[in-house]
Amino acid sequence: DVQMVESGGGLVQPGGSLRLSCAVSLVDFPNRYMHWVRQLPGEGLVWVSRISPDGSTRDYADSVKGRFTISRDNAKNTLFLQMNSLRAEDTAVYYCVPTTPMDWGQGTLVTVSS
Amino acid sequence: EIVLTQSPGTLSLSPGERGIFSCRASQTVNNNYLAWYQQKPGQAPRLVIYDASSRAAGIPERFSGSGSGTDFTLTISRLEPEDFVVYYCQQYGSSPLTFGGGTKVEIK
Repeated sequence: DVQMVESGGGLVQPGGSLRLSCAVSLVDFPNRYMHWVRQLPGEGLVWVSRISPDGSTRDYADSVKGRFTISRDNAKNTLFLQMNSLRAEDTAVYYCVPTTPMDWGQGTLVTVSS
Repeated sequence: EIVLTQSPGTLSLSPGERGIFSCRASQTVNNNYLAWYQQKPGQAPRLVIYDASSRAAGIPERFSGSGSGTDFTLTISRLEPEDFVVYYCQQYGSSPLTFGGGTKVEIK
């Protein structure tokens, strides 16, 4: 069973913005820390951001700090990632995952290119 | 942050052989919260092992995990053709989540 379904990716020009969404079908989503992880083309997995269950604590990788904002809507079991000032090096598949390991969703591809 | 180092980067083996994958952490992984994921080309990672040694649902018995502290191992007792893909370790005992660089298993 796929518990996370990411969407919102696409082709964007450098300097542009995108908002990723992730619909999470875990019944205890409001109680879970959630993360965004990305995978650059042909590369490994890199943590991007984390948000606490109530949204009060948010952490970011240095590479995206000040440009990306993580948020959540616990009433709708949805996680978000607002991505601004996008760069070519942000091109990747983005996955949303809980801290507890489980199978991942298919992710959403973000391509930053002119 | 905890740095995970996987070795080797590429493993060349034949079907039926045993595959042994290493994951070494730069510091102790809390509660041995270490997972292994399998990733096939064009697909999302699939959970194989969690809590260092617990097999995920639907994973064949030929997969096993072991280790504690800073040294962890994934073993595939007899490689099947579908096992020749990439494996990542991940620690989730400390923030941020971190991942090893992956081990690719190729057919010899």
